[in-house]
Amino acid sequence: GAVVSQHPSWVICKSGTSVKIECRSLDFQATTMFWYRQFPKQSLMLMATSNEGSKATYEQGVEKDKFLINHASLTLSTLTVTSAHPEDSSFYICRQWTGGAYGYTFGSGTRLTVV
Amino acid sequence: GDSVTQMEGPVTLSEEAFLTINCTYTATGYPSLFWYVQYPGEGLQLLLKATKADDKGSNKGFEATYRKETTSFHLEKGSVQVSDSAVYFCALSRLFDRGSTLGRLYFGRGTQLTVWP
Repeated sequence: GAVVSQHPSWVICKSGTSVKIECRSLDFQATTMFWYRQFPKQSLMLMATSNEGSKATYEQGVEKDKFLINHASLTLSTLTVTSAHPEDSSFYICRQWTGGAYGYTFGSGTRLTVV
Repeated sequence: GDSVTQMEGPVTLSEEAFLTINCTYTATGYPSLFWYVQYPGEGLQLLLKATKADDKGSNKGFEATYRKETTSFHLEKGSVQVSDSAVYFCALSRLFDRGSTLGRLYFGRGTQLTVWP
């Protein structure tokens, strides 16, 4: 099946710095990438949807300037948490969408801790 | 709009017990239904799916049947193992309809399952 490689799997950064998370589609071309955030013991919250070559669509309440999403190619989408603060600490997961029956694959997640 | 209501947890069972996790949905038309499993510190893995009414998805001893008359997709396993301890998410998506929600997954809240030896 489709494989999505997400990196890094965990990162610790200082408050005020920026962190980039990558999701790379290894064997399919992901037209669309969904980015989620998950708080401990909670479900996934959709943050934004990115399509190759166009601006991301953000969910209500998600700050576009804080969570920058770039989908420059069909195989790579990135989420950059800018000027990170401790409240941005969370588990971030991507999911690629290739259409039809192949749109099921999640990345392995990134645990972000801001200190 | 589309939504999923999932049985609240946590669920604690002894090994070899029978498992049921209830899931009901609200959606127009014919969504596809999924169960995902998440082990600690990991992303989500597809456990099983069903794309039309009366379909039964099955994998690793888990089963769920797409019941349109009751708008349900309950997850069952006849004999759970310690290794089944994880969080289970019910979800729905429109894989074949057109529109802005194409490909989007709507998740339930998740149910924590703990199996004791």
